[in-house]
Amino acid sequence: QVQLKESGPGLVQPSQTLSLTCTVSGFSLTSYSVHWVRQHSGKSLEWMGRMWSDGDTSYNSAFTSRLSISRDTSKSQVFLKMNSLQTEDTGTYYCARNFDYSGDYFDYWGQGVMVTVSS
Amino acid sequence: DIQMTQSPASLSASLGETVTIECRASEDIYNGLAWYQQKPGKSPQLLIYNANSLHTGVPSRFSGSGSGTQYSLKINSLQSEDVASYFCQQYYDYPWTFGGGTKLELK
Repeated sequence: QVQLKESGPGLVQPSQTLSLTCTVSGFSLTSYSVHWVRQHSGKSLEWMGRMWSDGDTSYNSAFTSRLSISRDTSKSQVFLKMNSLQTEDTGTYYCARNFDYSGDYFDYWGQGVMVTVSS
Repeated sequence: DIQMTQSPASLSASLGETVTIECRASEDIYNGLAWYQQKPGKSPQLLIYNANSLHTGVPSRFSGSGSGTQYSLKINSLQSEDVASYFCQQYYDYPWTFGGGTKLELK
């Protein structure tokens, strides 16, 4: 069955780099895009970027200068790296998938990982 | 960026009632719209895509409609398990953007 699971540190110091991993099962990263979406304290959602099924990436320009998304298809993992973290980056980070040949709506989401940026 | 304005921000309704949530886009999004339900402490779950297509396994009391810049999610015969927050998302133009959410409670 389709699963996505985020993992990473719950606490990051200001100005440091956030590294998260999304481990997927039940589908292939070469057929589906995986996106990163974050949410501040139950408030609205913010799309950050995506890893396409062909290995290309797209980013929200609000994050372009400090966000990087990569993957390891052999491990079924997609990675998020974001540097220069500030307290405003505190929130829950989700990975979600969509089929590249349909609209970019997300039919499966991970459980999310809560990240706090604090010294 | 396309702005998605969702209304109301919160809503209180009785069991069995029909509820409608609206989403207005700052420009035409040509039905590139999805609706999600999020229960406390859980991740969002897809309800509707392409403005009016019901996702697999979603109860038929949920429906989506609209076109252009105006879209709505309707819940017929409200059930207790429908208590949640609801978000719209446009995927017509990058970056994908979400509405501010509607928190639905029972009266």
